[in-house]
Amino acid sequence: DTGVSQDPRHKITKRGQNVTFRCDPISEHNRLYWYRQTLGQGPEFLTYFQNEAQLEKSRLLSDRFSAERPKGSFSTLEIQRTEQGDSAMYLCASSLISNTGELFFGEGSRLTVL
Amino acid sequence: GQQVMQIPQYQHVQEGEDFTTYCNSSTTLSNIQWYKQRPGGHPVFLIQLVKSGEVKKQKRLTFQFGEAKKNSSLHITATQTTDVGTYFCAGSLSNAGGTSYGKLTFGQGTILTVHP
Repeated sequence: DTGVSQDPRHKITKRGQNVTFRCDPISEHNRLYWYRQTLGQGPEFLTYFQNEAQLEKSRLLSDRFSAERPKGSFSTLEIQRTEQGDSAMYLCASSLISNTGELFFGEGSRLTVL
Repeated sequence: GQQVMQIPQYQHVQEGEDFTTYCNSSTTLSNIQWYKQRPGGHPVFLIQLVKSGEVKKQKRLTFQFGEAKKNSSLHITATQTTDVGTYFCAGSLSNAGGTSYGKLTFGQGTILTVHP
């Protein structure tokens, strides 16, 4: 499978715990994005990378959220001290700068905070 | 900040009827993309529009980008049950050099239900 893969697909955690999600983009894609989606809403932008550089981070994102893409390949999204409001689907997407701009989304990681 | 609004939020149609969803941005866009998300699935790219007034067709789907590059629409002719899902528009800005910013701002989507 050469698509975007995310792990884990589901995560249930207790409030206050830390969680980490991993995203492996399509191998030749130089841009990687994290979005969050709640029921009935469109994907909400969190952050994006071009190669290993984090170029933009949403102002909506609290300091509890951090993302890395250390070698310009896979990325991790960590949420510290989770809150119930963090429950959502976390979507990763990748793209090529030079293509149509199309984002290729992964299946997502669903987070439930109890 | 940039906002993208979509209407209607829900649309229920009988199979064979037409469907249209509208997208409006608070700012001028460099381009707009449309995605479809099936129930339980992830967003899948349909098309990108770049030019003012652009119209593109994909079989029964017609996409338009407004002259001012602030609005767009998706029209489906003669809906089928396979058209069921949520349709999102997503807009991006560009800098003066024309390089597209990476961030896409999504609308809240229009949920399409098709009754056979």
